[in-house]
Amino acid sequence: DAGITQSPRHKVTETGTPVTLRCHQTENHRYMYWYRQDPGHGLRLIHYSYGVKDTDKGEVSDGYSVSRSKTEDFLLTLESATSSQTSVYFCAISDIAHSYNEQFFGPGTRLTVL
Amino acid sequence: DQQVKQNSPSLSVQEGRISILNCDYTNSMFDYFLWYKKYPAEGPTFLISISSIKDKNEDGRFTVFLNKSAKHLSLHIVPSQPGDSAVYFCAASVGNQGGKLIFGQGTELSVKP
Repeated sequence: DAGITQSPRHKVTETGTPVTLRCHQTENHRYMYWYRQDPGHGLRLIHYSYGVKDTDKGEVSDGYSVSRSKTEDFLLTLESATSSQTSVYFCAISDIAHSYNEQFFGPGTRLTVL
Repeated sequence: DQQVKQNSPSLSVQEGRISILNCDYTNSMFDYFLWYKKYPAEGPTFLISISSIKDKNEDGRFTVFLNKSAKHLSLHIVPSQPGDSAVYFCAASVGNQGGKLIFGQGTELSVKP
């Protein structure tokens, strides 16, 4: 299994509070991705990173920001959480940014915003 | 607008029989298609992929078929086993766009002993 951990694994928070989710990898892969999974939508890309300090938006980036100061860590921040951001969040990594190359996913973080 | 659609939320199959999971897409620019499998409380894991220059790719019990004219792909599992019970996601991408994947909604497969 690829070495990917996500923390926390579960979090309950209140509307309006800031939340940071962490993805940590030990594979030294260059590319990292944040997805959210919701019923009826599958997985949707939030942000991705193609190197340290290099990030770009995905299809559902509003309300989220990311940072990558080290190869191994990719942080997802909700500046002011809303109930619509209740979801399961997955981090993924890849050593090649091409679709034929599989992405390895972390175990997920279940976030509930009350 | 959902570019990748899996119209069957669930599928139930008897052990030993064939499971067929379907996926439709709308973007003709997609040139790679992948299937991921997901167990509860775990992240998705890669299963099989196919390039748009092919119409079939096989890996053991798993075969993916691509019909570009119909913008349709399917995953065949033969024979189905109880351990195959999971949610299956179809995903598509344009090959040189940073590996960004567009996923379908998923189909939950249940294989009955």
